[in-house]
Amino acid sequence: GQQVMQIPQYQHVQEGEDFTTYCNSSTTLSNIQWYKQRPGGHPVFLIQLVKSGEVKKQKRLTFQFGEAKKNSSLHITATQTTDVGTYFCAGASVKTSYDKVIFGPGTSLSVIP
Amino acid sequence: DGGITQSPKYLFRKEGQNVTLSCEQNLNHDAMYWYRQDPGQGLRLIYYSQIVNDFQKGDIAEGYSVSREKKESFPLTVTSAQKNPTAFYLCASNSGVRETQYFGPGTRLLVL
Repeated sequence: GQQVMQIPQYQHVQEGEDFTTYCNSSTTLSNIQWYKQRPGGHPVFLIQLVKSGEVKKQKRLTFQFGEAKKNSSLHITATQTTDVGTYFCAGASVKTSYDKVIFGPGTSLSVIP
Repeated sequence: DGGITQSPKYLFRKEGQNVTLSCEQNLNHDAMYWYRQDPGQGLRLIYYSQIVNDFQKGDIAEGYSVSREKKESFPLTVTSAQKNPTAFYLCASNSGVRETQYFGPGTRLLVL
């Protein structure tokens, strides 16, 4: 079945450093979504990418969808303590036999002030 | 004010007891989902429903049951057959399989 992996599992950075998490799917995706979960909270939608090679920016966050639509990345420039949380990617396979979005295991980001 | 509500926020279960977690949405979404999250872990899909009166098992359905009698409601019952139910339970909904999921605030279930 479809699998979605994320690396790294954990990342500790000094405030002001950059951070990147990578998401890889075993199947070609129709789209990729990114969510953020603050400690003790629930996942909140950040962005959706649909097109091959698509790049979207939200302030200090840059999201990229791979050309083959099987991988994606989230890059945070100059991290702040408000960036702390777990970042999940979620993808839906292009195969019609897969009828649900699969979440990756997440990357937990800690920011040291 | 649109959104997803889950209740209760905290729930305690005694050994051998069934408990039901509530999930209600007023977003007019067709699809609803239940996830389990263990400390430091990702989201594991328990059950999902794409339409009223229909639902499918996710990856970890054993020991759980659901119903979808109304579009707005998707309650999850944790049965006594679930031997390790302590976890954070998240309900979500969306307008279609590939659309954004909106999550409720979650219910933390603890076993006494």
